[in-house]
Amino acid sequence: GQQVMQIPQYQHVQEGEDFTTYCNSSTTLSNIQWYKQRPGGHPVFLIQLVKSGEVKKQKRLTFQFGEAKKNSSLHITATQTTDVGTYFCAAVTGNQFYFGTGTSLTVIP
Amino acid sequence: DAGVIQSPRHEVTEMGQEVTLRCKPISGHNSLFWYRQTMMRGLELLIYFNNNVPIDDSGMPEDRFSAKMPNASFSTLKIQPSEPRDSAVYFCASTFRSGTGPYEQYFGPGTRLTVT
Repeated sequence: GQQVMQIPQYQHVQEGEDFTTYCNSSTTLSNIQWYKQRPGGHPVFLIQLVKSGEVKKQKRLTFQFGEAKKNSSLHITATQTTDVGTYFCAAVTGNQFYFGTGTSLTVIP
Repeated sequence: DAGVIQSPRHEVTEMGQEVTLRCKPISGHNSLFWYRQTMMRGLELLIYFNNNVPIDDSGMPEDRFSAKMPNASFSTLKIQPSEPRDSAVYFCASTFRSGTGPYEQYFGPGTRLTVT
């Protein structure tokens, strides 16, 4: 069945450092979505990538979809304490959503 | 829009009791999802409905779990009998599916269930 792995599982960074989380699927995806969950909160949709090799930016966040549509990455430039939370990718194939294992980001002031 | 509404927000119950979680999706959305989140297992899809019809319930752990969606504005997830290992945060999410997407899911605030 579909497996979606994210690495790393945890990441601690100093405020101002960059951060990257990677999402890998065992199969080719229709598209991929990214969500952020603040501590004690619920997942909130960030973005969807559809095209092979697609790159999208939201302020300090850069999202990339792999050429083979099997992997994706989220990069945050110059992290801030407001970036704290768990970042999930969600692989979309047909009618199914498969959430990744998540990467928990801690930003040290 | 009020967003996805879930109730109760917190539930503490004893093993063996019946638990019913409720969800009101965003008006106009035609797909609804139930998830369970734990530290050990992460975010797991339990079941999802499209136009009030259950499409995939392969994530439902066992027969103790059941979900219904009697109309477009209401869904329930029932656990009977409950067990301590059911303790988790249960999220409901909804989206509007038409054509090719983006199908972004809107999550409710969750119900934190503790079974003692």
